Amino acid sequence: GAVVSQHPSWVICKSGTSVKIECRSLDFQATTMFWYRQFPKQSLMLMATSNEGSKATYEQGVEKDKFLINHASLTLSTLTVTSAHPEDSSFYICSARSAPTSPLHFGNGTRLTVT
Amino acid sequence: AQSVAQPEDQVNVAEGNPLTVKCTYSVSGNPYLFWYVQYPNRGLQFLLKYITGDNLVKGSYGFEAEFNKSQTSFHLKKPSALVSDSALYFCAVRDSNSGYALNFGKGTSLLVTP
Repeated sequence: GAVVSQHPSWVICKSGTSVKIECRSLDFQATTMFWYRQFPKQSLMLMATSNEGSKATYEQGVEKDKFLINHASLTLSTLTVTSAHPEDSSFYICSARSAPTSPLHFGNGTRLTVT
Repeated sequence: AQSVAQPEDQVNVAEGNPLTVKCTYSVSGNPYLFWYVQYPNRGLQFLLKYITGDNLVKGSYGFEAEFNKSQTSFHLKKPSALVSDSALYFCAVRDSNSGYALNFGKGTSLLVTP
């Protein structure tokens, strides 16, 4: 089946630093990738939609300058949390699909802790 | 906006008993509905989807879901629960307004006791 690899699985960083999270589709070409954020015991909130070769589309309330998304190839999207603060600590999950009607396949998530 | 609601925060069931996790939807047009399962500190695993066709959809790990248009529901079911089914379950609907991303319910924690 379709596999989405997300790296790293967890990261601890200091306030003010930047962190990059990678999301790769291993056995299919992902024309669209989505980035979600999940708070403890809560649902997934869509942050942005990323189409290969285009600028990401951010959901209302998500700071595009803080959460930089790059989708340079059909198999890789990256989320960079810039100048991280403790309130950015969360579980970030990427997902990818090959076509609009295909199911979304999810990475295993990245636990970000900002100290 | 396309949305789903999961009315139960937690469902408890004894192993071997049937389980139901509830989901209702609110959409304009035809609903594209999904169920995913999440284990602790992991991403989501796809269980099943309803696009069109038979109202009873069969999915992974013995799960199935029944699409009911009159009740706008898409409940997840399994005839005989396993302890290993204990996890967080999310109902989701595809949103054409967000590049066909999925909008998720708040999740239902399923606890299956031996």
